[in-house]
Amino acid sequence: AQSVTQLGSHVSVSEGALVLLRCNYSSSVPPYLFWYVQYPNQGLQLLLKYTSAATLVKGINGFEAEFKKSETSFHLTKPSAHMSDAAEYFCAVKGGSYIPTFGRGTSLIVHP
Amino acid sequence: NAGVTQTPKFQVLKTGQSMTLQCAQDMNHNSMYWYRQDPGMGLRLIYYSASEGTTDKGEVPNGYNVSRLNKREFSLRLESAAPSQTSVYFCATLQAGTTDTQYFGPGTRLTVL
Repeated sequence: AQSVTQLGSHVSVSEGALVLLRCNYSSSVPPYLFWYVQYPNQGLQLLLKYTSAATLVKGINGFEAEFKKSETSFHLTKPSAHMSDAAEYFCAVKGGSYIPTFGRGTSLIVHP
Repeated sequence: NAGVTQTPKFQVLKTGQSMTLQCAQDMNHNSMYWYRQDPGMGLRLIYYSASEGTTDKGEVPNGYNVSRLNKREFSLRLESAAPSQTSVYFCATLQAGTTDTQYFGPGTRLTVL
């Protein structure tokens, strides 16, 4: 069994501030973990993924996430938010089956 | 290389009407999925096809049917549309054992009146 919890349905930051989006997971097998981003009126696209190599994963647009097994977490961070980062972000976990499990999403709001 | 395409982009139906959402991929991926996205609910899996010739129910299959026509195409049918099926529908593909990354289409925005 696998599940994902994203803490906070909305996160609001000022432009230039740190972005932190939280994701906790559970999985009965070593997981693959993903962050996807969805811009308005578009489909989801991969931001970054963890597949058991380096625990600190760098993605596109300056985002990164750290896999912490002891905390079952895979939080997404970016040092300095940009207006163009405003979007919906989804964390997902995939164990041994064909079916990834998605969190409910976090809407990132960036204020000027 | 179009990736994952979906048709139509928008559709308005009346209660009781039927329609088929089409999905096609040129990525040669084995697995295909249909999701619906509703505000505050994230993505919910309707049906999936692990490989050509197989289909299985997901979390919310009631009111829907699917057909995996060939490796490229996976369609979703609403036999008798209901207002509760108003949603945004996404098709996705995945090649298990390689990247395990899902690739999504642009979505179909369906309104049932």
